Amino acid sequence: GESVGLHLPTLSVQEGDNSIINCAYSNSASDYFIWYKQESGKGPQFIIDIRSNMDKRQGQRVTVLLNKTVKHLSLQIAATQPGDSAVYFCAENGGATNKLIFGTGTLLAVQP
Amino acid sequence: ETGVTQTPRHLVMGMTNKKSLKCEQHLGHNAMYWYKQSAKKPLELMFVYSLEERVENNSVPSRFSPECPNSSHLFLHLHTLQPEDSALYLCASSLRGRGGNEQFFGPGTRLTVL
Repeated sequence: GESVGLHLPTLSVQEGDNSIINCAYSNSASDYFIWYKQESGKGPQFIIDIRSNMDKRQGQRVTVLLNKTVKHLSLQIAATQPGDSAVYFCAENGGATNKLIFGTGTLLAVQP
Repeated sequence: ETGVTQTPRHLVMGMTNKKSLKCEQHLGHNAMYWYKQSAKKPLELMFVYSLEERVENNSVPSRFSPECPNSSHLFLHLHTLQPEDSALYLCASSLRGRGGNEQFFGPGTRLTVL
């Protein structure tokens, strides 16, 4: 069935360290993946996306890696800052347009 | 700011009340969505409107009634809700046909049903 899951519900890192948030997906038809950040009291905010014809995409301090062989997605945040503390969601499109299937989220806690 | 606004930000209502949530997008998008976000659960897609036509209704109870009068506005009419309907209701919009599916979210309405 369709599902997007996360390996760890909570990730605690030291300020300045790199963070890696993992996500597993089960729908092999998914060809679009996206990461969102949700801070307390706010809606999800787009971070970075990737299509299935790529295995890596970089943004500002963030990198998304896609491994279609094992249906795994990861978000890497370089030099994690206190402002990065939030819940991070991955989502897949299940091969459909205008549709996103979300995981439960990982809480990233940055320790000063 | 993401270009998607929602009002009210907080709402407390009794089970017999009727209220409406409003969403407005200023991004020129042509698809709009309602999601329900409950604690420790994935975002649940409720409704999708594309070009002002409802294209998806994910088995949502009839006590939730969406309305999309134009491509910039989306409403969620609520009546005779249950306490388990208490949640954060998120609106999102996207540009249909773009292929990327990136959805832009509003800040949500925190709903409490007493």
